[in-house]
Amino acid sequence: NAGVTQTPKFQVLKTGQSMTLQCAQDMNHEYMSWYRQDPGMGLRLIHYSVGAGITDQGEVPNGYNVSRSTTEDFPLRLLSAAPSQTSVYFCASSRTGGRLEFGEGSWLTVV
Amino acid sequence: AQKVTQAQTEISVVEKEDVTLDCVYETRDTTYYLFWYKQPPSGELVFLIRRNSFDEQNEISGRYSWNFQKSTSSFNFTITASQVVDSAVYFCALSGGDSWGKLQFGAGTQVVVTP
Repeated sequence: NAGVTQTPKFQVLKTGQSMTLQCAQDMNHEYMSWYRQDPGMGLRLIHYSVGAGITDQGEVPNGYNVSRSTTEDFPLRLLSAAPSQTSVYFCASSRTGGRLEFGEGSWLTVV
Repeated sequence: AQKVTQAQTEISVVEKEDVTLDCVYETRDTTYYLFWYKQPPSGELVFLIRRNSFDEQNEISGRYSWNFQKSTSSFNFTITASQVVDSAVYFCALSGGDSWGKLQFGAGTQVVVTP
């Protein structure tokens, strides 16, 4: 049972480049979400989804897009990377009433 | 709006000392859930406990214990007889009852346990 799988684990981007952080879960969880972690600020919600085809913005959505075409996958897209998006990104999933299961994190540096 | 405050940025203790981490929350929801997660130096997030707003019983799990008090909007966490392996960042988080899957995190408390 793989749980929540995030790829890539490390990535360096140049300002203006685009990329997609992949997230997949094999637990048939309906809820999926993306958080970013910055020093001294805890984790902040970027986008979340309550099921396939349904997404909504979190606290810090600017500069990021998401889609949820299947229950299993919830990719996070950076359309034009900026240095302010240098962070650690965590994907999470849960079922109703269950705890959030987190991926191992993706370390992104934008230069 | 929901808010979680972890006022302690860092706590340093010597092994075998007890450590208490404070968490104060704000919410207008009548039904909500509180969580504690541990983030060791390796970076992953490890679930420790979930408590719903209707269950104010304190809980003990091995060396860990939690004190939930709705009257003071607090959900404090104590590590008894700390060990070096307890060194980590600990996050308190809050989820509203109708917004499952969306957590509001505190800033985290770094616990450093030295031998």
